[in-house]
Amino acid sequence: EIVLTQSPGTLSLSPGERATLSCRASQTVDNRFLSWYQQKPGQAPRLLIYGASSRATGIPDRFSGSGSGTDFNLTVSRLEPEDFAVYYCQQYGGSPMFTFGQGTTLEIK
Amino acid sequence: QLQLQESGPGLVKPSETLSLTCTVSGGSISITNYYWGWVRQPPGKGLDWIGSVYYSGSTYYNPSLKSRLTVSIDTSKNQFSLKLTSVTAADTAVYYCARHAGWGRFDYWGQGPLVTVSS
Repeated sequence: EIVLTQSPGTLSLSPGERATLSCRASQTVDNRFLSWYQQKPGQAPRLLIYGASSRATGIPDRFSGSGSGTDFNLTVSRLEPEDFAVYYCQQYGGSPMFTFGQGTTLEIK
Repeated sequence: QLQLQESGPGLVKPSETLSLTCTVSGGSISITNYYWGWVRQPPGKGLDWIGSVYYSGSTYYNPSLKSRLTVSIDTSKNQFSLKLTSVTAADTAVYYCARHAGWGRFDYWGQGPLVTVSS
């Protein structure tokens, strides 16, 4: 089973700043199967990025994904107040088996 | 706009069976290259994939739950279901139904009810 480790656990930033969230896999992940989600309290996760770098429908272009192999990043270029939430990376690793990272909390500084 | 809605008891007794149904509206469940899955989230914790089903009836389970799990689909009702047997307090979680595109992204999610296992 591929384990995804997200860092940092909590990121404290101010609106207008740039956020970079990391997702590291224990084995190589096919880029096609790496996704990012945003989750706000009491809500279901919302798909942001799929295929490591493609934005989902309706997602603002301040969100971008990058990376390959075992190291992936989610970047929010200029934080808006509504961007403060928990973010998860997720991969499919065959078998079949999906795994999620443990999450990064993006909080207002 | 595709919508998914879970239904089922919010409280289940230990050792009993947890049963949930997801009703899909705004689109057909019998669509090729899309799968219908369940993901759970224990209170204050992260997300765990439970299992998925294809419209043909093919199923795919998380190995850690496989011995207790049944996921099924009823295309005539545009619904799919989850049954988890012999539940314990560790199965207390928010249970989401979701659609995933092939073996990639989960693009539509239900609201996710909290299911509590307690006597």
